[in-house]
Amino acid sequence: EIVLTQSPGTLSLSPGERATLSCRASQSVISSYLVWYQQKPGQAPRLLIYGASSRATGIPDRFSGSGSGTDFTLTISRLEPEDFAVYYCQQYGSSFTFGPGTKVDIK
Amino acid sequence: QITLKESGPTLVKPTQTLTLTCTFSGFSLSTSGMGVGWIRQPPGKALEWLALIYWDDDKRYSPSLKSRLAITKDTSKNQVVLTMTNMDPVDTATYYCAHRPCTGGSCHNWFDPWGQGTLVTVSS
Repeated sequence: EIVLTQSPGTLSLSPGERATLSCRASQSVISSYLVWYQQKPGQAPRLLIYGASSRATGIPDRFSGSGSGTDFTLTISRLEPEDFAVYYCQQYGSSFTFGPGTKVDIK
Repeated sequence: QITLKESGPTLVKPTQTLTLTCTFSGFSLSTSGMGVGWIRQPPGKALEWLALIYWDDDKRYSPSLKSRLAITKDTSKNQVVLTMTNMDPVDTATYYCAHRPCTGGSCHNWFDPWGQGTLVTVSS
């Protein structure tokens, strides 16, 4: 089973700042089968990024994904108030696993 | 517009079997490529994938929970049912069902959208 590790666990930033979130896999993820979700308190997760770097429908272009193999990154170029949430990565190259999440909170 | 909604008991006793139903609209599970998955989230913790059923009745299960899970579909009712046996307090979680999408002629093993989730508490 592919294990995903996300860092940092919590990222404390101010609105307008850049957020860089990391997702590392225990083995190479086939064909960048890696997605990112955003989850706000009391809500279901929402798809942000698929195929490691493609934005889902309706996702603002301040969100971007990159990476391949075992190292992937979600970047939020300028944090808006609504971006403070928990972010999860998920791989689907070998079964399905989620990372433990990174919480982006207001500094 | 695709929507999904989970239903089932909010409280189950240890050792009981949990049965959850996902009722969806906006797509058909008889359409090639489609799928519905189940994911759970203990309070304050991370997401955990449980199971996925495809349009052709192929089924996938989490290796760690496979012996306790069963997923079925009723295409005529637009429903997917998940059963989990031998429930334990550690199974207390919000249980989500979610759509496995197909776009541009390709189908993908991510989940979009998700239902609102249903909290299941396991306690005597």
